[in-house]
Amino acid sequence: ETGVTQSPTHLIKTRGQQVTLRCSSQSGHNTVSWYQQALGQGPQFIFQYYREEENGRGNFPPRFSGLQFPNYSSELNVNALELDDSALYLCASSLGAGRSYEQYFGPGTRLTVT
Amino acid sequence: KNEVEQSPQNLTAQEGEFITINCSYSVGISALHWLQQHPGGGIVSLFMLSSGKKKHGRLIATINIQEKHSSLHITASHPRDSAVYICAAFPPNTGNQFYFGTGTSLTVIP
Repeated sequence: ETGVTQSPTHLIKTRGQQVTLRCSSQSGHNTVSWYQQALGQGPQFIFQYYREEENGRGNFPPRFSGLQFPNYSSELNVNALELDDSALYLCASSLGAGRSYEQYFGPGTRLTVT
Repeated sequence: KNEVEQSPQNLTAQEGEFITINCSYSVGISALHWLQQHPGGGIVSLFMLSSGKKKHGRLIATINIQEKHSSLHITASHPRDSAVYICAAFPPNTGNQFYFGTGTSLTVIP
């Protein structure tokens, strides 16, 4: 079975632009969570999608939005990029949305905003 | 104050040493995870705990729910164990949100 994949690996954008990051969940997983990890910090929860619906959101502004597709892959969209959005963006998939489900992380997308 | 605190922040050990990384949390949890992050970013889930102790190879994780404390132990450490180790608490009723510690950076010297 294939693991969680993310694209692109690296991305450089200019302040004010918009970006879309993609995540393919592990086979059989219906839940995807997105995290932002600034340099030297632990990951921060952005939101979770379960069966194409948002199922929980962290303390991030509305310009961070997401989508989950029928095949359970997911996108993270960030509008009006700010310098502080520079970070590693991680997605994780799991078999379900409950707390007992182990999360499987992708390799991450490193976003640099200049 | 972060809901999840780890110590130490940085740790250097000689190959073969026994290593302990500590995690304290201030929220009630339904599960606690230990994660390993290698340079470049990829994260691997090592353990998911809600009580007691789990062992996988040279890794042992323990949790004391009453004291809100968990430890990750590595026996007979090896240079390939060099990574950042992160604990993540999963409280109930938070919209499926994890609270992550800032990580412990471990370097094992041959």
